[in-house]
Amino acid sequence: AQSVTQPDARVTVSEGASLQLRCKYSYSGTPYLFWYVQYPRQGLQLLLKYYSGDPVVQGVNGFEAEFIKSNSSFHLRKASVHWSDSAVYFCAVSGSSNTNKVVFGTGTRLQVLP
Amino acid sequence: AQTIHQWPVAEIKAVGSPLSLGCTIKGKSSPNLYWYWQATGGTLQQLFYSITVGQVESVVQLNLSASRPKDDQFILSTEKLLLSHSGFYLCAWSQNSGNTLYFGEGSRLIVV
Repeated sequence: AQSVTQPDARVTVSEGASLQLRCKYSYSGTPYLFWYVQYPRQGLQLLLKYYSGDPVVQGVNGFEAEFIKSNSSFHLRKASVHWSDSAVYFCAVSGSSNTNKVVFGTGTRLQVLP
Repeated sequence: AQTIHQWPVAEIKAVGSPLSLGCTIKGKSSPNLYWYWQATGGTLQQLFYSITVGQVESVVQLNLSASRPKDDQFILSTEKLLLSHSGFYLCAWSQNSGNTLYFGEGSRLIVV
C-alpha cells in the first residue's frame, strides 16, 4: 500500500522568500506523484504532477517539484512566494498497480507574511 | 469544458438522520469518479471510486455507501448519521485511472 508523509504541518515564510515543502512517499512500484493546493473552503486544485521522464516538473504559478527516486521524495519548491500563495498544500501518490487509489499526505499549511 | 457540481454546499444534520450528497460532472463522458472525506483541518481520506455506471468500489466505508446511477452522477449516502461523519466531502473525477483528479467545491457537513 502506498503512503505519503508531509513532515511539516505549518510553514511560515516572508513574501519574496524561497520555499520548499517536503514530501516523502512510500510505494513499491512506479509512483505517480502530485501536488495539490487547497484554498479556504474550496476543493483542491492541481499544481503539478510527475509520471515519468524529467524528474524536475514545472507547475502553475512558478511552482516546481523534483522527483528523487533514491530518496523517495517529491519536494515542492518556489523561488519567490507571494502572499496569495498562502494555502494548504497536499502531496499525493498513486501507482501503476492500483491507479484508482490516490493517497494524500496530511498537508502543509503555508502562511506567507507580507 | 468540464464542470463538476456538488450539492448541497452545506448541511447541518442530526445524529441518526439520513444523508445524501450528490455530484454531477458535465462535459466528460465515462469519467472515473471519487469521493473523499476531509476532517476539519485534516487530510483527505478516499472513500469510494467508480470507473463505470453501476459499479462502485469501497476504499474505506465509514458507515457510508455510494452509488453511480448515471454516467455523470455519483451519490454518497447513509441512513443514519454519526457525529464522526462531520467534515468536508469532496467529489472528484479523472479521465483515466492514475491521472489528475479534478475536484468539486465540496459539501460541508455538520452533524449535531
